[in-house]
Amino acid sequence: KAGVTQTPRYLIKTRGQQVTLSCSPISGHRSVSWYQQTPGQGLQFLFEYFSETQRNKGNFPGRFSGRQFSNSRSEMNVSTLELGDSALYLCASSLEGQLYEQYFGPGTRLTVT
Amino acid sequence: QKEVEQDPGPLSVPEGAIVSLNCTYSNSAFQYFMWYRQYSRKGPELLMYTYSSGNKEDGRFTAQVDKSSKYISLFIRDSQPSDSATYLCAIKAAVDQGAQKLVFGQGTRLTINP
Repeated sequence: KAGVTQTPRYLIKTRGQQVTLSCSPISGHRSVSWYQQTPGQGLQFLFEYFSETQRNKGNFPGRFSGRQFSNSRSEMNVSTLELGDSALYLCASSLEGQLYEQYFGPGTRLTVT
Repeated sequence: QKEVEQDPGPLSVPEGAIVSLNCTYSNSAFQYFMWYRQYSRKGPELLMYTYSSGNKEDGRFTAQVDKSSKYISLFIRDSQPSDSATYLCAIKAAVDQGAQKLVFGQGTRLTINP
């Protein structure tokens, strides 16, 4: 069974631009979560989607948004990029109600200059 | 107070040593406890999860939960250079209206020296 895939793997953007990251979960997994990982803050929860609905959102500004499609694939968008948004963005999927068995993708490394 | 506290290390031990990695958490209502391993430039990989107090073993890895002390541990026996990675503990936390999320520790960077 294929794992979680994320595209693109690397991205360089300038301040003020926006970016869209994509995630394809493991087949059969309908819960998709997004995380931001930085050296200073560690792994921080962004939001979780299930059945195209956002079920939970972390403490991030409204510039961070996401969505999920009917095939469970998910995208996250960051608008008006800031230097501090440089991070590894990780997507993880799980079966419904089984966040304790969540599987991560390789991440998208975003650099904002 | 952070929900999950983990010593970031770094921790360096010789090959073959027993490694002990630890986390503390603040909310006694937490029920699921996870350990992830993350190699450089990779996503975290789930090692194991536990639900209740006690030990859970998987090969050279043993996860231990002490709910009375709100303390979780991961032991690695016969450590190998390939175990060199960052280890993250995580707990499953309930939030408003029945939603749930994972809260991660800072991660401990471990190096096993040949």
